[in-house]
Amino acid sequence: QLQLQESGPGLVKPSETLSLTCTVSGGSINSSRYHWGWIRQPPGRGLEWIGSFYYSGNTYCNPSLKSRVTISVDTSKSQFSLKVTSVTAADTAVYFCARVGSPWGEFDYWGQGTLVTVSS
Amino acid sequence: IQMTQSPSSLSASIGDRVTITCRANLTINSYLNWYQQKPGKAPKFLIYAASSLQSGVPSRFSGSGSGTDFTLTISSLQPEDFATYFCQQSYSTPVYTFGQGTKVEI
Repeated sequence: QLQLQESGPGLVKPSETLSLTCTVSGGSINSSRYHWGWIRQPPGRGLEWIGSFYYSGNTYCNPSLKSRVTISVDTSKSQFSLKVTSVTAADTAVYFCARVGSPWGEFDYWGQGTLVTVSS
Repeated sequence: IQMTQSPSSLSASIGDRVTITCRANLTINSYLNWYQQKPGKAPKFLIYAASSLQSGVPSRFSGSGSGTDFTLTISSLQPEDFATYFCQQSYSTPVYTFGQGTKVEI
């Protein structure tokens, strides 16, 4: 059974960089059938896609966040990571990682999510 | 592409038929997926391609629509169905957007 687990600091200071890692187990991160993504959910609000990376090495980010977001992968550790720079209180959210299927772009497996609070 | 769900919330009783609507501001063919989320949990994937049920999802859930207008229907609401439901478009892959959610309450 595929499992994803987010990890990283739960508290980040304003203007600093948020860094999270997603560890994938029970399946391969190296697959052309799927890609991998990050989604966030501010408290009490809806879901926002942050970005994704593909087996090909390409990464794509939400245009509203693009200049601040970096997604990278370490296939040897079955991990992919998210960095968001210059954070503000508006970046406070539960951050999820997920697998994305093809061709319908469904987020079929999710991590449990991790709350990141931006506060001094 | 913007996705708009209606209503934002609804109250229903056990056994009720519940319908949630999701509208795209541009045509997305059938590139529409549905999720269920309970408090403090990750979303659960329910339906893909507008109407195809994910394996293991109860048959009381169904989806329909194409183009810009879509619906999620729960034919007979069960206690475990009280949750928030989200639609998500994948027509503009690799960029995705979600609806704002519909909360189904008792």
